[in-house]
Amino acid sequence: DQQVKQNSPSLSVQEGRISILNCDYTNSMFDYFLWYKKYPAEGPTFLISISSIKDKNEDGRFTVFLNKSAKHLSLHIVPSQPGDSAVYFCAAPEAGGGNKLTFGTGTQLKVEL
Amino acid sequence: DVKVTQSSRYLVKRTGEKVFLECVQDMDHENMFWYRQDPGLGLRLIYFSYDVKMKEKGDIPEGYSVSREKKERFSLILESASTNQTSMYLCASGTGTGTYEQYFGPGTRLTVT
Repeated sequence: DQQVKQNSPSLSVQEGRISILNCDYTNSMFDYFLWYKKYPAEGPTFLISISSIKDKNEDGRFTVFLNKSAKHLSLHIVPSQPGDSAVYFCAAPEAGGGNKLTFGTGTQLKVEL
Repeated sequence: DVKVTQSSRYLVKRTGEKVFLECVQDMDHENMFWYRQDPGLGLRLIYFSYDVKMKEKGDIPEGYSVSREKKERFSLILESASTNQTSMYLCASGTGTGTYEQYFGPGTRLTVT
């Protein structure tokens, strides 16, 4: 059962506009979320995270919003740049130690000129 | 900077061969992980280890085994490679305390023919 879901496999945005990537989760015990970015033929790199005690975390052009009641988080990129074209994964740590992460299926973002 | 290296970027093996994928991290992290990434399925955890000689099954351990004889090294073994194990394999490491962030290697694209 997919506990972290990214329902949009792809998203296309024009350069300079806002990109909004969405993620839903089913486990109300999740209390921390991470976003990773992955270019082809490279490993994922950590982008931004948010704790459930917050509803927003911002880092430069990247902002993550968390809506706990809806079990939904979103990553906003503004303004979008061609170099942002990548696959974005949301993830949440599982209970049970070892800091295992459950990943969503990813959203391919394409930023067009 | 954390560095996670993987022994090969690209590998082609025949069905039935035994395959070794090696991963080394240089940050003295307790936790190490092996994932595979497939289109539409995201990152799926194969095995992880939270200490030397300790290992735990992830979500898809069938057909794989692992070895962790030294803290910095975590090996993934395909006992008898099959075509459905053609995939991108990603190794990651993490501290296990205070942060859930995992650091990924560049990946190994394995093709089994």
